Amino acid sequence: QSVLTQPPSVSGAPGQRVTISCTGSNSNIGAGYDVHWYQQLPGTAPKLLIYGNSNRPSGVPDQFSGSKSGTSASLAITALQAEDEAVYYCQSYDISLSGSVFGGGTRLTVL
Amino acid sequence: QVQLQQWGAGLLKPSETLSLTCTVYGGSFTGYYWTWIRLPPGKGLEWIGEINHSGSTNYNPSLKNRATILIDTSKKQFSLKLTSVTAADTAVYYCGRPYGSGTYQWFDLWGQGTLVTVSS
Repeated sequence: QSVLTQPPSVSGAPGQRVTISCTGSNSNIGAGYDVHWYQQLPGTAPKLLIYGNSNRPSGVPDQFSGSKSGTSASLAITALQAEDEAVYYCQSYDISLSGSVFGGGTRLTVL
Repeated sequence: QVQLQQWGAGLLKPSETLSLTCTVYGGSFTGYYWTWIRLPPGKGLEWIGEINHSGSTNYNPSLKNRATILIDTSKKQFSLKLTSVTAADTAVYYCGRPYGSGTYQWFDLWGQGTLVTVSS
């Protein structure tokens, strides 16, 4: 059981928009700690997609955006393409753990 | 360009000790909390622990004192040892470097990952 809760899977047709939720608690997201997002393609290490709730590293297209509210955060992916098929993870800090916590991952399928 | 390269044994028997090492190529070795993270099959990422260049460490309490992270600044390496492994420790293990520190950090650099399987 991961500390942060994500839906196991989401899907969308090419060109559509999908969102992935990440729900935490008052010891992590709700305590004000930032949320970060990663994309993991098969056989590769996770890649940073969003940091500080809504910031994109250089090279990440603006089809990816993040937001945070209360004890939850969301990753939105617009204009879906086949190459966006991957597993997406959220990450935050947890005061009870005194370390980073992650979500269980959400597998995105492009129909 | 900074790169992390990791290695270690990929097949262990129950009760053995997992041992992995990560070397940092390029860039600064000081000023970071070098980290180990794992991905069990069918589950989410799990933070194992971290160490800085002075040897200060933090661990995930769920590992119940089985994990030890060491650092060798002369070789720009850090390592993970996990004792008394069981099948539940089967996972892909990653070394990583966070940007930022403490409560405000994210992982912008990862090793290639090492699949460790625990089986009798």
